[in-house]
Amino acid sequence: SQELEQSPQSLIVQEGKNLTINCTSSKTLYGLYWYKQKYGEGLIFLMMLQKGGEEKSHEKITAKLDEKKQQSSLHITASQPSHAGIYLCGADGRAGNNRKLIWGLGTSLAVNP
Amino acid sequence: EAQVTQNPRYLITVTGKKLTVTCSQNMNHEYMSWYRQDPGLGLRQIYYSMNVEVTDKGDVPEGYKVSRKEKRNFPLILESPSPNQTSLYFCASSKQGGNQPQHFGDGTRLSIL
Repeated sequence: SQELEQSPQSLIVQEGKNLTINCTSSKTLYGLYWYKQKYGEGLIFLMMLQKGGEEKSHEKITAKLDEKKQQSSLHITASQPSHAGIYLCGADGRAGNNRKLIWGLGTSLAVNP
Repeated sequence: EAQVTQNPRYLITVTGKKLTVTCSQNMNHEYMSWYRQDPGLGLRQIYYSMNVEVTDKGDVPEGYKVSRKEKRNFPLILESPSPNQTSLYFCASSKQGGNQPQHFGDGTRLSIL
């Protein structure tokens, strides 16, 4: 079965530093979603990537999907304490209307002031 | 405000006592889903619904029931809860079709003693 691997599992950075989180699949992804979750709370949608080579940015967060559509990265520039939380990637494992998403286990990010 | 609303947010109950977690969305979304989130296991889908009166099993449906009599509501029913159903539960909704981000509720933390 298809899986999404996220790395690293956890990350501690100093405020102001850049960081990257990766999400990798062994199969082609038909839609890749990034979410942020504060501990014990709901998931907040960040960005969606569909096309190979696509890149999207929102404030200081940039997400990319590789040409093969098997790997995505989430890059945070000049991290702030407000970026702390768990970042999850989810993906449509197949095209079409079936909404059976697959999920990574998440990357826990702490940002020290 | 567009949102997915779950109730209750927190519940402590005992084994065998039937309970229902409600989920309502105001975005006229066709698709709704229930997940449970457990440490080390990530998000796992319990049941999903593509539209009114259409429901299907996810990855971990045992011990749960759902119904979709109206488009906006998708309750999760635990007929005879057991301690292994202690978890953080999320309801999500989205438009139909692929490449549509899911919108999540704030979560329901269930403890079954």
